[in-house]
Amino acid sequence: DAKTTQPPSMDCAEGRAANLPCNHSTISGNEYVYWYRQIHSQGPQYIIHGLKNNETNEMASLIITEDRKSSTLILPHATLRDTAVYYCIVRVSTGTASKLTFGTGTRLQVTL
Amino acid sequence: SQTIHQWPATLVQPVGSPLSLECTVEGTSNPNLYWYRQAAGRGLQLLFYSVGIGQISSEVPQNLSASRPQDRQFILSSKKLLLSDSGFYLCAWAEQGEAFFGQGTRLTVV
Repeated sequence: DAKTTQPPSMDCAEGRAANLPCNHSTISGNEYVYWYRQIHSQGPQYIIHGLKNNETNEMASLIITEDRKSSTLILPHATLRDTAVYYCIVRVSTGTASKLTFGTGTRLQVTL
Repeated sequence: SQTIHQWPATLVQPVGSPLSLECTVEGTSNPNLYWYRQAAGRGLQLLFYSVGIGQISSEVPQNLSASRPQDRQFILSSKKLLLSDSGFYLCAWAEQGEAFFGQGTRLTVV
């Protein structure tokens, strides 16, 4: 699985959009970009994933650059409950996917 | 729907004692299963993963071992715990790329 790089921490005011970047310059053509978040003392929670098109669901939007070497997770209206560590990973989505490796993630602090 | 059970939620064990953490999955078959450890304030470290019964891959040399005696059961063990084994242990399963995590076991070795 390709390696990802994320900033260690970010702050965001409540109600504003939180834009969380991720670099994955060695991503392969069959690897998807996945985002998870981990609220303190809980297991990580799946947020969204995509291959090359931008994706949106009820939690967030995922913007992937045309060359697929980076992506941005957007929380359109951050709330205090969005304070968490956000992990970006890349891996294949089909077949016998094996390793599932997380980086150090971005600690997002949402403030009043 | 698929669910993952991990227990116990918290555990305090003396140094040198054995360990057995169990994880079971429901609602799926032949999942990829994973054990992670998270030290305080740190990221998720992949310890073991398994793509099938009896198939275990170890990522980090350590004092722990894993076994998969049944398709939907994954066990993390140690014969003698060390202080450095303290941490938050998470079990996960994955299918078609997306992963689902248990609620974790907080292990304190004293």
